[in-house]
Amino acid sequence: EAAVTQSPRNKVTVTGGNVTLSCRQTNSHNYMYWYRQDTGHGLRLIHYSYGAGNLQIGDVPDGYKATRTTQEDFFLLLELASPSQTSLYFCASSLTGNTEVFFGKGTRLTVV
Amino acid sequence: QQKVQQSPESLIVPEGGMASLNCTSSDRNVDYFWWYRQHSGKSPKMLMSIFSNGEKEEGRFTVHLNKASLHTSLHIRDSQPSDSALYLCAASGGSALGRLHFGAGTQLIVIP
Repeated sequence: EAAVTQSPRNKVTVTGGNVTLSCRQTNSHNYMYWYRQDTGHGLRLIHYSYGAGNLQIGDVPDGYKATRTTQEDFFLLLELASPSQTSLYFCASSLTGNTEVFFGKGTRLTVV
Repeated sequence: QQKVQQSPESLIVPEGGMASLNCTSSDRNVDYFWWYRQHSGKSPKMLMSIFSNGEKEEGRFTVHLNKASLHTSLHIRDSQPSDSALYLCAASGGSALGRLHFGAGTQLIVIP
C-alpha cells in the first residue's frame, strides 16, 4: 500500500512560535497535499503541489507556507503560530489530480 | 460555505440494517466523486469512487451518482459495528484539478 509518513506525530508550541511539519511519500506520486481536520469542517485543503518546486494555494492558506523540495518531500510551515491553528494536520499524496488520495497518519498540533 | 454538503451529520442504525448517506456538490465543474471512511483515531481511506452516472456495487456497499444534480449517495446494507466511522464525501475535477474538496462528513454508528 502507498506510504505517506508524517513527522512529528504530535507537537505543542506557543503562540508566535515557528513550526515545521514534514511529510515524505515513497509512492512516486506527483501530487502532495496538506489538509487540516477540524470537527464540523471535514478536511480543508491548505496547500498542494503537483511536483518538486511547484506550489498551489488551497482553500485555507492564510498563516501557512509550504514547500515541495523533492518529489518525495512536502513541508508545511507556520511562522507565527496562533491558537486558531490548533488542529489535526494530514499530508496526502496521489498519482494524478483525479486518482485515489493516500493519507499519512496525521500530526496533532496544539498552539497554546 | 463548503462546496460539498453531506447529510445527515450523524446516523445511528442497528446491526444488520441499511445506512444511507448523501452528498451534493455546489461546484458544477466537478467530474469525480469519492467516498472515504475514517475510523476513530485513524486517517481517511478511500472506500469507493464513482465517475459516471448510475450505480456501482462492491460487496455490501453501493454508490449512486446523478451528475446532472451533482448528487451522490452511499448505501451500506447489512451494517456491522465495524462500519461505525466518519464517512467523508469528496469531489474533484474540471478546472479544479487536484483540488479535492471534502464535505464535513457523516458520523455513522452501528448499534449491536
